[in-house]
Amino acid sequence: EDQVTQSPEALRLQEGESSSLNCSYTVSGLRGLFWYRQDPGKGPEFLFTLYSAGEEKEKERLKATLTKKESFLHITAPKPEDSATYLCAVLFSFTTSGSRLTFGEGTQLTVNP
Amino acid sequence: DTGVSQNPRHKITKRGQNVTFRCDPISEHNRLYWYRQTLGQGPEFLTYFQNEAQLEKSRLLSDRFSAERPKGSFSTLEIQRTEQGDSAMYLCASTLLGADTQYFGPGTRLTVL
Repeated sequence: EDQVTQSPEALRLQEGESSSLNCSYTVSGLRGLFWYRQDPGKGPEFLFTLYSAGEEKEKERLKATLTKKESFLHITAPKPEDSATYLCAVLFSFTTSGSRLTFGEGTQLTVNP
Repeated sequence: DTGVSQNPRHKITKRGQNVTFRCDPISEHNRLYWYRQTLGQGPEFLTYFQNEAQLEKSRLLSDRFSAERPKGSFSTLEIQRTEQGDSAMYLCASTLLGADTQYFGPGTRLTVL
């Protein structure tokens, strides 16, 4: 069965303390991997799309990387405003599961000042 | 580009009542998706439309749930005879045909008493 697993479930950092979030997947036919940020009571906000192993994307303090079995979201020198839940989602190939996204359960990040 | 909009933002209803939610996708986005998210979990796929055609439905979409997109623009999701287990955030997303990134709306929070 295709699965997406995120770790850790929750992470507390001090402002400026860099760290990484993990997203591992077991899928047959990966088309793309997505990272979203979700603030409490709001919809997910798109961050990155990754398609192939070795690909990297950056935005401000965030960098996403992809291997054949997992993705990392690296957070460099985080600020309190980076506190949110970070969701990873996988898009399977069109021949298997249409164009649905399969999400992990998310990592709740708290950055203390 | 005003983004995906959803109405209402919050809905409180009594068990057994019917409810209907509306989603307006980003203009010119052909594909529209519905997801459901419960507390502490990632969003789960319910169904998606390409223009007015409903192309895929999850087994989560019981016969009490029905979705429409009559003119290929906005969509409605109706839940009949609501149950307490239907309490969740209902998210809508849209994307252009041929594109992969799904953009989410703010969601409708449903509480069934």
